[in-house]
Amino acid sequence: DQQVKQNSPSLSVQEGRISILNCDYTNSMFDYFLWYKKYPAEGPTFLISISSIKDKNEDGRFTVFLNKSAKHLSLHIVPSQPGDSAVYFCAASVADAGNMLTFGGGTRLMVKP
Amino acid sequence: EPEVTQTPSHQVTQMGQEVILRCVPISNHLYFYWYRQILGQKVEFLVSFYNNEISEKSEIFDDQFSVERPDGSNFTLKIRSTKLEDSAMYFCASGDRAWRRTEAFFGQGTRLTVV
Repeated sequence: DQQVKQNSPSLSVQEGRISILNCDYTNSMFDYFLWYKKYPAEGPTFLISISSIKDKNEDGRFTVFLNKSAKHLSLHIVPSQPGDSAVYFCAASVADAGNMLTFGGGTRLMVKP
Repeated sequence: EPEVTQTPSHQVTQMGQEVILRCVPISNHLYFYWYRQILGQKVEFLVSFYNNEISEKSEIFDDQFSVERPDGSNFTLKIRSTKLEDSAMYFCASGDRAWRRTEAFFGQGTRLTVV
């Protein structure tokens, strides 16, 4: 069941540049999307979210873009910092599904100094 | 900053044994969840719990699994008879009842190894 897919398993970016992480989904019932960051041996940490009624949400260096017609969302990190190196998961939920999150497979971001 | 705490951090158990994974959610949260991540695979939803009952569960959450909120603070996941394929990282999460969809806050996880 691949309702949420992150097609890039890894991404390497130079410090100070933009990191763009992508996520695609197939379930048109998803109406809320989230990005989580995960360090080794830790639980996922919430980063930013977006409702399906919006197409952009910004929080400091992090911006999430949602393209509903393409069923695609992306996370932009500007500027990227070495401390951003982690695995990033996108997740999606449906209004009446008990806030259950469906996760993508994750993208490992490496920010090089 | 309030956080979700899980114990133990690592549990090794023999196949067929029962295990209980413990979680202390954030104190004012009302929604509680268990997720798991088998090594190299996606984070998968197991169960959500609200108002002292299961509100949603996945196909993974079969009769071997149960959840309980035995008191006002703890939230437990019990696996009755563990199998090798139950080896995974188990994450507890909790969320508040904000008007917008809740962002689940995750604990650091319990690594379960079934031998």
